[in-house]
Amino acid sequence: EPEVTQTPSHQVTQMGQEVILRCVPISNHLYFYWYRQILGQKVEFLVSFYNNEISEKSEIFDDQFSVERPDGSNFTLKIRSTKLEDSAMYFCASSNGQADTGELFFGEGSRLTVL
Amino acid sequence: QQQVKQSPQSLIVQKGGISIINCAYENTAFDYFPWYQQFPGKGPALLIAIRPDVSEKKEGRFTISFNKSAKQFSLHIMDSQPGDSATYFCAASPNTGNQFYFGTGTSLTVIP
Repeated sequence: EPEVTQTPSHQVTQMGQEVILRCVPISNHLYFYWYRQILGQKVEFLVSFYNNEISEKSEIFDDQFSVERPDGSNFTLKIRSTKLEDSAMYFCASSNGQADTGELFFGEGSRLTVL
Repeated sequence: QQQVKQSPQSLIVQKGGISIINCAYENTAFDYFPWYQQFPGKGPALLIAIRPDVSEKKEGRFTISFNKSAKQFSLHIMDSQPGDSATYFCAASPNTGNQFYFGTGTSLTVIP
């Protein structure tokens, strides 16, 4: 069964450092997303990506965040200067349709710990 | 602003019982309402979903009830099993755009 894969599974970083989280979406999917989940809290939307550009982003997705699809298979989330409050589980997801038509498939997440 | 409100925060049910989780929304532009199941250490996985043109959808032991006028929807798990123990999130998305709005989650424990 096709799946979304994410690396690393856990990353520990110092505050102020740059972090890149990587995702390989399901191969025939066209829509890509990053969500985050602070421990014990709800899953929060960060950004959606379609046709090689950001289609929607939340207020959480400020200038320290960026996304890229560098090679047609990987989808990355970069956090330029990490803050303590960036500590969370980051989920990549993909779908073959817009939110109300395509099932969203999530990866297992990358846990980011900022010290 | 909480787009989707979910309750209860946690739920303990005996094996064989019925688990009921409720969600409410305000945005009338929402037209797709999925429920996600999340096991520890895993990403959320789609369990069942409904659109507002029907009032109920059943898949096996899982049923979504939808009340459009009240802007509420609920998940019923019949004959709950220990393997159903997980966190359940309701969500909603509008008919335009790509953002899912998730509820705060319900931690379900089914006691053998």
